[in-house]
Amino acid sequence: DAGVIQSPRHEVTEMGQEVTLRCKPISGHNSLFWYRQTMMRGLELLIYFNNNVPIDDSGMPEDRFSAKMPNASFSTLKIQPSEPRDSAVYFCASTVSYYGYTFGSGTRLTVV
Amino acid sequence: GQQVMQIPQYQHVQEGEDFTTYCNSSTTLSNIQWYKQRPGGHPVFLIQLVKSGEVKKQKRLTFQFGEAKKNSSLHITATQTTDVGTYFCAGPVQGAQKLVFGQGTRLTINP
Repeated sequence: DAGVIQSPRHEVTEMGQEVTLRCKPISGHNSLFWYRQTMMRGLELLIYFNNNVPIDDSGMPEDRFSAKMPNASFSTLKIQPSEPRDSAVYFCASTVSYYGYTFGSGTRLTVV
Repeated sequence: GQQVMQIPQYQHVQEGEDFTTYCNSSTTLSNIQWYKQRPGGHPVFLIQLVKSGEVKKQKRLTFQFGEAKKNSSLHITATQTTDVGTYFCAGPVQGAQKLVFGQGTRLTINP
């Protein structure tokens, strides 16, 4: 298994631009999580899905952030418009029965 | 809200010394998980503890879950340079299907 696949690995964008992060979970995993990691705030849960349905988006910082999971093998996290304070590493993770998350390699986002 | 606290935040040791990180939850946990993140890498699942007082070992790593299921520890015996990284504990949020992560303990080792 290739694990959780995230793309792109690095993204540098200008303030105000739209950014889309992508994630392919492990086949058979029914839960998917989007996390943001910064030095100041650590690992923050943004949103999670169970069986492709958004369950809890209380961690999404504001309306500029949105996430979708159109099918069991694909999810996106979109930031529109992006701001410098959105600079962070964004991780996608998947699991089955909430035992042991498998994290992707992350997307390092820099907004200038 | 529910919180998971880890101490220390940073730990620097000489290679061969032991290392321990502690995790405390504000609420009773049904289980606790530990993850390791290498510098520049992503968190990797190490283990899950479920039972009160449970102790599990993985080679030089010993994991404990407290009797009250509100605290946990990870102990590394005779550290090696490959142990460098940040160790996170995480516990499920009551009534929700998600984990809350501690802030992590960053371990650096002087060879």
